[in-house]
Amino acid sequence: SAVISQKPSRDICQRGTSLTIQCQVDSQVTMMFWYRQQPGQSLTLIATANQGSEATYESGFVIDKFPISRPNLTFSTLTVSNMSPEDSSIYLCSVEWDRGGETQYFGPGTRLLVL
Amino acid sequence: TQLLEQSPQFLSIQEGENLTVYCNSSSVFSSLQWYRQEPGEGPVLLVTVVTGGEVKKLKRLTFQFGDARKDSSLHITAAQPGDTGLYLCAGDNTGGFKTIFGAGTRLFVKA
Repeated sequence: SAVISQKPSRDICQRGTSLTIQCQVDSQVTMMFWYRQQPGQSLTLIATANQGSEATYESGFVIDKFPISRPNLTFSTLTVSNMSPEDSSIYLCSVEWDRGGETQYFGPGTRLLVL
Repeated sequence: TQLLEQSPQFLSIQEGENLTVYCNSSSVFSSLQWYRQEPGEGPVLLVTVVTGGEVKKLKRLTFQFGDARKDSSLHITAAQPGDTGLYLCAGDNTGGFKTIFGAGTRLFVKA
């Protein structure tokens, strides 16, 4: 399976600031996804990061708040902009590893606390 | 909207007990995955089931995909404290490209 790393692993930020989370995969993958997991909750898909085109956002998530980059087949970033305490969450990237069919593999997550 | 309903939401049991977690939907899925997530970590894939009626075993864990590919179960035999975590089912629908996650079952196994 693909090995996925995320940076930072955790951060504490002040409201109104922005944080960019990086996701690196050790293999080339077509599909990369960004999820949010609020405390004690399941995963909510934010967007699908497409290489060479704009990300596809789910209902309730917008590009101005969560801009995404996907410069190549092994890397993506998610920015959480103009943060508020409600953005405190775990942010996870995942990949649909091409040799793994439709199964998604997850990074370790970025734990964000906004004060 | 497709939904995956997991039950129970929370389970606290003694070491050595057996348990079953259920994942149900009214929709058909082309495949279904089970993940376990420990605190501070991302979800880790346990198994993918694809064929209706399929049963897969992973040591003390038994996974079953319903004949109609609308539901699945995870059975743990002789649970151990190391089984503690959040268990998530996720399904890939047959008509689209999005994976749908259940709300999760939080399992706590007491020594």
